[in-house]
Amino acid sequence: DAGITQSPRHKVTETGTPVTLRCHQTENHRYMYWYRQDPGHGLRLIHYSYGVKDTDKGEVSDGYSVSRSKTEDFLLTLESATSSQTSVYFCAISGKATEETQYFGPGTRLLVL
Amino acid sequence: GESVGLHLPTLSVQEGDNSIINCAYSNSASDYFIWYKQESGKGPQFIIDIRSNMDKRQGQRVTVLLNKTVKHLSLQIAATQPGDSAVYFCAENHNFGNEKLTFGTGTRLTIIP
Repeated sequence: DAGITQSPRHKVTETGTPVTLRCHQTENHRYMYWYRQDPGHGLRLIHYSYGVKDTDKGEVSDGYSVSRSKTEDFLLTLESATSSQTSVYFCAISGKATEETQYFGPGTRLLVL
Repeated sequence: GESVGLHLPTLSVQEGDNSIINCAYSNSASDYFIWYKQESGKGPQFIIDIRSNMDKRQGQRVTVLLNKTVKHLSLQIAATQPGDSAVYFCAENHNFGNEKLTFGTGTRLTIIP
């Protein structure tokens, strides 16, 4: 998994509670991404980061926020979880502007009851 | 908007045979394409990539073909093995240097022993 870890790997939570997922990389890559994967959909970008404290929205950013205080860590927060946010969340990293290949972490399976 | 799709959602191939997985893309400005493999419960794994200035690229047991005229991408896997059973999906980048990828929904490849 290209030196990428995600925590937790599984989580069950209740509607309305805040949830934070962590992505940690040891590759010193500049770019980091959060995706969600749902049946019938391709991977959809939630937020991404192009450097420490530099983040931007993806196509499905509503209800999510991110933070990146260190190169190696990218946090995804669901401020108030809803059942529609039940999904598998993947973190990805990429290095150079001339190398668009993204490498993925193992995923976090989130269930919101 | 752009979309990346696949012709077949499932494909079954006899072990030892070759398999071909197809992908259609809609954005003629796309200049970089990637194939990923995703095994059950795991994150997507990079297989092979190709730039739009090429029409063929080979890796170990895999070949990617790009037909820009009809906006079609294919992944050929030679001498399939049980470990090749997975979901395969393509991704495209239509803005060189922009790190955003658009992903297809995937084809499930099953290798029959």
